[in-house]
Amino acid sequence: LAKTTQPISMDSYEGQEVNITCSHNNIATNDYITWYQQFPSQGPRFIIQGYKTKVTNEVASLFIPADRKSSTLSLPRVSLSDTAVYYCLVGAVGDDKIIFGKGTRLHILP
Amino acid sequence: DVKVTQSSRYLVKRTGEKVFLECVQDMDHENMFWYRQDPGLGLRLIYFSYDVKMKEKGDIPEGYSVSREKKERFSLILESASTNQTSMYLCASSLTLAGDSGTDTQYFGPGTRLTVL
Repeated sequence: LAKTTQPISMDSYEGQEVNITCSHNNIATNDYITWYQQFPSQGPRFIIQGYKTKVTNEVASLFIPADRKSSTLSLPRVSLSDTAVYYCLVGAVGDDKIIFGKGTRLHILP
Repeated sequence: DVKVTQSSRYLVKRTGEKVFLECVQDMDHENMFWYRQDPGLGLRLIYFSYDVKMKEKGDIPEGYSVSREKKERFSLILESASTNQTSMYLCASSLTLAGDSGTDTQYFGPGTRLTVL
């Protein structure tokens, strides 16, 4: 399973765009990149998944360069309620385990 | 919506007690998982199951066992609770996707905060 590296914590202000980058140098051909969000006292929840280029949904965008060795989760115009831990995961269909790691603790300031 | 429920949000037990944590999912998912989450360590996989009566060890299975007698229910058992098992326990389930649909999305329960005194 490919290992991921992401910043331990980030601060930003309300209304800003926040970009969290994840490195996954050993990503395999069959691997997808998935991001989860975890609020305090709750379980993680799926945000977005992609394989290459750009994926956008109602919550976030995911940018994946051609070499796929990194990915960037982009949260547009964050609010205080976006304060959470964000996990970047890499894995393929049929993988028995997914490694969550420590995630990035995002703190949004007023 | 997928719903994953855990039997308790908060639980306090004494050292040496046998502890059962129950997890139920209502979406007919094949896969179920138990994690523990500790400050600074992220989520760590304890056990997972991909079918009834099947189980696989995760990264930290020591001191734990699991039971999956029915597809919708996955139990985590602490045979003899110890203080170092004080933690947040999270259950998740997923549906195995086929082909190029992407990897399985895991759906998590709200967690059980276990304190062992």
